[in-house]
Amino acid sequence: EVQLVESGGGLVQPGGSLRLSCAASGFKFDDYAMHWVRQAPGKGLEWVSSINWNSGSIGYADAVKGRFTISRDNAKNSLYLQMNSLRSEDSAFYYCVKDIRLSSSPGTHFDYWGQGTLVTVSS
Amino acid sequence: DIQMTQSPSSLSASVGDRVTINCRASQSISNYVNWYQQKPGKAPKVLIFAASSLRSGVPSRFSGSASGTDFTFIISSLQPEDFATYYCQQTYSTPTWTFGQGTKVEIK
Repeated sequence: EVQLVESGGGLVQPGGSLRLSCAASGFKFDDYAMHWVRQAPGKGLEWVSSINWNSGSIGYADAVKGRFTISRDNAKNSLYLQMNSLRSEDSAFYYCVKDIRLSSSPGTHFDYWGQGTLVTVSS
Repeated sequence: DIQMTQSPSSLSASVGDRVTINCRASQSISNYVNWYQQKPGKAPKVLIFAASSLRSGVPSRFSGSASGTDFTFIISSLQPEDFATYYCQQTYSTPTWTFGQGTKVEIK
């Protein structure tokens, strides 16, 4: 059974940093690209970042470029999101999401999602 | 960036009704549209991929189609468990994967 378990969320002040983690199990982690998708409470889905199977291709939404860094450790079956210079508009549930492919390419889709971890940016 | 304009933002329908949700892309994106269902307090799950392919295990009352830059998601006979929010997603412009604004389906 595929499982994606996020951790690391919490309350942080504006300008602060947070590191999210995602522990993956039930599939061969290094065979798939992974993503972070966020959702502000009561709002829609927003793709944040993606990383291919060997970290050779990485992408970010314009809203987080230069502030967030995605990474993965295939030996530990783990995905990470380092979030710096946090703003109130970054407050959201952050979902760890599995792609169906090695590299997220046109025509792909996301087949498994974690339950999310809540990040609240507030003073 | 490719924009996905989803409509309506919400709808109310009765059990057994046919429900139609639309997404329009701001440019040609082939058939690279997926549809997700999200129930309250839960993570989204994919129902339709590549505009019209039904994910394994998903009931056949769900379907999708494409015509140019217009994409349609249909629930042929609404069931009580279909109360949820539905999102389209384009996966044409790698690697920025845009979602529509969502459609909340409420049961009358």
